[in-house]
Amino acid sequence: DTEVTQTPKHLVMGMTNKKSLKCEQHMGHRAMYWYKQKAKKPPELMFVYSYEKLSINESVPSRFSPECPNSSLLNLHLHALQPEDSALYLCASSQGPARETQYFGPGTRLLVL
Amino acid sequence: GQNIDQPTEMTATEGAIVQINCTYQTSGFNGLFWYQQHAGEAPTFLSYNVLDGLEEKGRFSSFLSRSKGYSYLLLKELQMKDSASYLCAVLDAGNNRLAFGKGNQVVVIP
Repeated sequence: DTEVTQTPKHLVMGMTNKKSLKCEQHMGHRAMYWYKQKAKKPPELMFVYSYEKLSINESVPSRFSPECPNSSLLNLHLHALQPEDSALYLCASSQGPARETQYFGPGTRLLVL
Repeated sequence: GQNIDQPTEMTATEGAIVQINCTYQTSGFNGLFWYQQHAGEAPTFLSYNVLDGLEEKGRFSSFLSRSKGYSYLLLKELQMKDSASYLCAVLDAGNNRLAFGKGNQVVVIP
């Protein structure tokens, strides 16, 4: 089983809204990732959690706030987003943070109006 | 840092063979991954190479030459469902980041 699940599948929000994206995996993976992907572009790394601790923040604006409540869950809290933040947000997980295959969830397609 | 280069698009006929190339320059190397991504969907893992040579997995094979900073993905007996973007990604040993190439869009025609 290499399944990573994400909810919601689609999200439309205004610039003043607060929303959260959720990601879950039950493979016992200890590294989890958030990526942002714009149309016809490759995924861009945003955050990495390793053993439930934030290990990489790729200079992401503070309007994106990650949270790892436990080893199976990863959230991305959104607040005061801009229209240019509209994208596909992908969660991935791997057994460990190095040399390991990352498995991606189906993504949340976000539209900011 | 990383510099990963892939051609952008190619068209091939059903049943044919297509080779997708990827060249890379990284400060450290911990392996190269190939992912398939259908439009609007998540990337799906296809293969992983960390040593030189060819890895075969059904209709898909991936080759790596670390000295040349070069990999290719070979798709045999193309099917319509193989129409997708194919992403090459290199795991940097220095920072454990997975750096993606821009992807190669393969269009399979009857």
